[in-house]
Amino acid sequence: EIVLTQSPATLSLSPGERATLSCRASQNINNYLAWYQQKPGQAPRLLIYDASNRATGIPARFSGSGSGTDFTLTISSLEPEDFAVFYCQQRSNWITFGQGTRLEIK
Amino acid sequence: QITLKESGPTLVKPTQTLTLTCTFSGFSLSTSGVGVDWIRQTPGKALEWLALIYWNDDKYYSPSLKSRLTITKDTSKNQVVLTMTNMDPVDTATYYCSHRLTGGSGNAYWGQGTLVTVSS
Repeated sequence: EIVLTQSPATLSLSPGERATLSCRASQNINNYLAWYQQKPGQAPRLLIYDASNRATGIPARFSGSGSGTDFTLTISSLEPEDFAVFYCQQRSNWITFGQGTRLEIK
Repeated sequence: QITLKESGPTLVKPTQTLTLTCTFSGFSLSTSGVGVDWIRQTPGKALEWLALIYWNDDKYYSPSLKSRLTITKDTSKNQVVLTMTNMDPVDTATYYCSHRLTGGSGNAYWGQGTLVTVSS
């Protein structure tokens, strides 16, 4: 099973700041990585697929990068509605998720 | 507009079999490339993929749960059914169904989820 490790566990930032979230895979997953945002009481929302492609309707401040084992989700300038939990997901070998990064308001 | 909705019991007893139904609209499971996943989320918030069925009836299961899971589809009713046998309290979770396409564009559409509690 491919293990995805997300860091940090919690990120405390202020609106307007830049957020950088990391996801590391236990083995090479090429670019088969997606990012999701989840708010309390809601289902996950797809942000990025195949490492760097924004899903339909996702603002340009969200971007993804990386390949192989190391991936990054960047939010260029945080808006109040961006604070949530973020998960990465790989589809290279079955499907697994990271444990999540909580982005909280500082 | 694609929508999905999960339904089933909210409470099951240990050792019982859970049957969940995903009823969807806005797409057809007879269309090439279309699939539906089942994914669950524990109270501690970990996400776990369970099973996937494609338009051509190809089925895939989580290796760790394969012996307990069965996924089927009823194209005429726009439904996907997941059964999980021998339920245990550790299976307490919110269960989601989600639309996907082959080619890896991610799970863009999810149901609202249904909380299933396993307790005697």
